Amino acid sequence: DAGVIQSPRHEVTEMGQEVTLRCKPISGHNSLFWYRQTMMRGLELLIYFNNNVPIDDSGMPEDRFSAKMPNASFSTLKIQPSEPRDSAVYFCASSLGTVNEKLFFGSGTQLSVL
Amino acid sequence: KNQVEQSPQSLIILEGKNCTLQCNYTVSPFSNLRWYKQDTGRGPVSLTIMTFSENTKSNGRYTATLDADTKQSSLHITASQLSDSASYICVVSGYNNNDMRFGAGTRLTVKP
Repeated sequence: DAGVIQSPRHEVTEMGQEVTLRCKPISGHNSLFWYRQTMMRGLELLIYFNNNVPIDDSGMPEDRFSAKMPNASFSTLKIQPSEPRDSAVYFCASSLGTVNEKLFFGSGTQLSVL
Repeated sequence: KNQVEQSPQSLIILEGKNCTLQCNYTVSPFSNLRWYKQDTGRGPVSLTIMTFSENTKSNGRYTATLDADTKQSSLHITASQLSDSASYICVVSGYNNNDMRFGAGTRLTVKP
């Protein structure tokens, strides 16, 4: 298996532009997570899906952020409009679902908002 | 206050030496504790997962210990290699998948 696949690897955009990050979880995994990592705050959970349904989006910073999971093999995280403070590395992770299962992370998307 | 505290914040050791990283937590209820290795520019990779009933788990040169009574864990790295240079993150989970608390990590540098 190729693991969790994220795209793009790097994204540079201007303030106010829409940004869409993409994730393909490991086949057969039914839990998907979006995280944000910064030097100041470390890893923070943004949203968690189980069986394609958003279970917990309390970590989404504000209405500018939205996430979808239209099917078991694809998810997107959208920021509209983007702001410089959104600059961070965004990780997608997937697991088999139960709390003691191993979590597999993608390589992340490095987002820079100028 | 973060519920997962790691120490030291950073550590430099010589290749071949051993080292121990610490993780103290106050998360309750507790389901499991994980150690991850994160190389620069990559996503975290799982090293060990320990549930309440486990007090030690090994993965090659990595050995994690857990004392659920004192809420402390350690990650011991034996015979360090240059490739061990990375951040090591301690993660403590409650009973739900979305209830993971991340430590700030220890940045380990192994020098030749």
